[in-house]
Amino acid sequence: QSVLTQPPSVSAAPGQKVTISCSGSSSNIGNNFVSWYHQVPGTAPKLLIYEDNKRPSGIPDRFSGSKSGTSATLGITGLQTGDEADYYCGAWDNSLSAGVFGGGTKVSVL
Amino acid sequence: EVQLVQSGAEVKKPGESLKISCKGSGYSFSTYWIGWVRQMPGKGLEWMGIIYPGDSDTRYSPSFQGQVTISADKSITTAYLQWSGLQASDTAMYYCARHRLGRGGYFDLWGQGTLVTVSS
Repeated sequence: QSVLTQPPSVSAAPGQKVTISCSGSSSNIGNNFVSWYHQVPGTAPKLLIYEDNKRPSGIPDRFSGSKSGTSATLGITGLQTGDEADYYCGAWDNSLSAGVFGGGTKVSVL
Repeated sequence: EVQLVQSGAEVKKPGESLKISCKGSGYSFSTYWIGWVRQMPGKGLEWMGIIYPGDSDTRYSPSFQGQVTISADKSITTAYLQWSGLQASDTAMYYCARHRLGRGGYFDLWGQGTLVTVSS
């Protein structure tokens, strides 16, 4: 059971938009920044979003992050077949004094 | 090039010890935290712990405290993850990653992963 809760899967047609939720508590998301990663099966994860809504260099603006209270959301617009991957949220947990991840969400392009 | 390069795949027997490595290059290794992340077969990411190579300050997730040891040698820009007595349940892919510790923390640079298989 992950500390952060994500839906197991989401899907949409090419060109459409998907959103992935990440639910936590005041111990983590409510008082700390959220980061997002994507992982193509068989490869290492890659940072997509950090500090709730910032994109590293090279990440297209089709990817966006937002947060409200103890929940965060990753949005992907203009969905492409290359976006098929597993997506994870992460944050620091003040109670654990350690980082935590969500269980991951598989994005499928129909 | 800024990168983390991990040691190769390992096959071990239960009870054996193991130390895997992660070599950083292209950046100031001593001034960035390095962390380890476990991914069991078909499962999600698990945050194990982080170390600051500059002074070896180490933080462990409660789930991994006492189960593994994280260390670093800044003179050769390498971080390590070690076990003293492997179990079959340690079979997983292990990633090292550069950790930006702050209000939230995040991993901005990842190694390619080291597959550890524990089987009798």
